[in-house]
Amino acid sequence: DAKTTQPNSMESNEEEPVHLPCNHSTISGTDYIHWYRQLPSQGPEYVIHGLTSNVNNRMASLAIAEDRKSSTLILHRATLRDAAVYYCILPNNNAGNMLTFGGGTRLMVKP
Amino acid sequence: DVKVTQSSRYLVKRTGEKVFLECVQDMDHENMFWYRQDPGLGLRLIYFSYDVKMKEKGDIPEGYSVSREKKERFSLILESASTNQTSMYLCASSRSGKTKNIQYFGAGTRLSVL
Repeated sequence: DAKTTQPNSMESNEEEPVHLPCNHSTISGTDYIHWYRQLPSQGPEYVIHGLTSNVNNRMASLAIAEDRKSSTLILHRATLRDAAVYYCILPNNNAGNMLTFGGGTRLMVKP
Repeated sequence: DVKVTQSSRYLVKRTGEKVFLECVQDMDHENMFWYRQDPGLGLRLIYFSYDVKMKEKGDIPEGYSVSREKKERFSLILESASTNQTSMYLCASSRSGKTKNIQYFGAGTRLSVL
């Protein structure tokens, strides 16, 4: 299975943009890139996903490198409610889209 | 909105008790999953199910079993609870087919085994 690498933690100021990086150098051509986040005391929630092109939704943007070996989740204006652990995941094609959660990046947002 | 409901947020049980954790989803999803989450170990998959009466072992199935008698309900069973099964348990569901399909999680059940 393709693995992902993320920084353990990042800090941001409220109202500023946040760029959360993820490396996935062993990604295959058919692997989607998913991002989830987990707010304190809650289950993970889906944020965004993409294959090759950059993607935007109401929560965030996903920028995917041309070689697909890395991606960046962009929160355009961080709020205190965005403080969470963010997970970059490549679902397992061969196991019912099983998700393997690594350590993720703990985002701290300062007022 | 998709809803995945876990029957309890907090549960306290004694060693040796049989424990049932229930999960219900309302979106007619084919796939359902049980994870546990522990500090420093992240989320680990216990069991998953592709369809009614079907189950597959995940990464850490020992000490657990599951039941899927109806499509919307997936139960995790601890036959004889032990203290090392104290953990946060998370249920999820998804549609089958494509890897772009999203998993939807419940709020979690924090189980303490004394």
